[in-house]
Amino acid sequence: DSGVTQTPKHLITATGQRVTLRCSPRSGDLSVYWYQQSLDQGLQFLIQYYNGEERAKGNILERFSAQQFPDLHSELNLSSLELGDSALYFCASSVGRRGAEAFFGQGTRLTVV
Amino acid sequence: QKEVEQDPGPLSVPEGAIVSLNCTYSNSAFQYFMWYRQYSRKGPELLMYTYSSGNKEDGRFTAQVDKSSKYISLFIRDSQPSDSATYLCAMSEGLSGNTPLVFGKGTRLSVIA
Repeated sequence: DSGVTQTPKHLITATGQRVTLRCSPRSGDLSVYWYQQSLDQGLQFLIQYYNGEERAKGNILERFSAQQFPDLHSELNLSSLELGDSALYFCASSVGRRGAEAFFGQGTRLTVV
Repeated sequence: QKEVEQDPGPLSVPEGAIVSLNCTYSNSAFQYFMWYRQYSRKGPELLMYTYSSGNKEDGRFTAQVDKSSKYISLFIRDSQPSDSATYLCAMSEGLSGNTPLVFGKGTRLSVIA
């Protein structure tokens, strides 16, 4: 167990809908990272927050947004969902800002039907 | 050409074999090289982390980086059925927040008892 908690584990929703994925980082970790893993694209970095502020942005669609709250948990919001958004979404956390030192959660499997 | 290329496998070996996993990359600015192991339905976990060129050994695992060839390898000695997983290489230009990890698509390994 990495100490990073993601909820829900599974999510099935219809196209056009909006969902929120939640991540609780390891105790003491200030950085949260979001990744998307699909069969054709592999694991892709979406966005990083450090102590409540956005630090880096990757291949995140405009329909997606994230935030990190004062208690350091983070939420990833996905809206106007399309079939192609079906994927595993991972959250990772680290003490500092070094992504290489992050620990991953078990992921949320999103299925858009 | 994708920034990081990794043969998806699957790779099947008998227990006790030496396994060689490889990635090639195109971005000469990459300096930090990681290998992750991902079991089915789990998040990636960091196995090895090397900086620049050279070798690093940790138990049965050896990571090699050849920056001149833009090629990295992970060797697993005396492979065990518990090593059966997907192995992801990852790399970044630096360790700051705005140099996120770029992952290969992963190689699926099966070690047969």
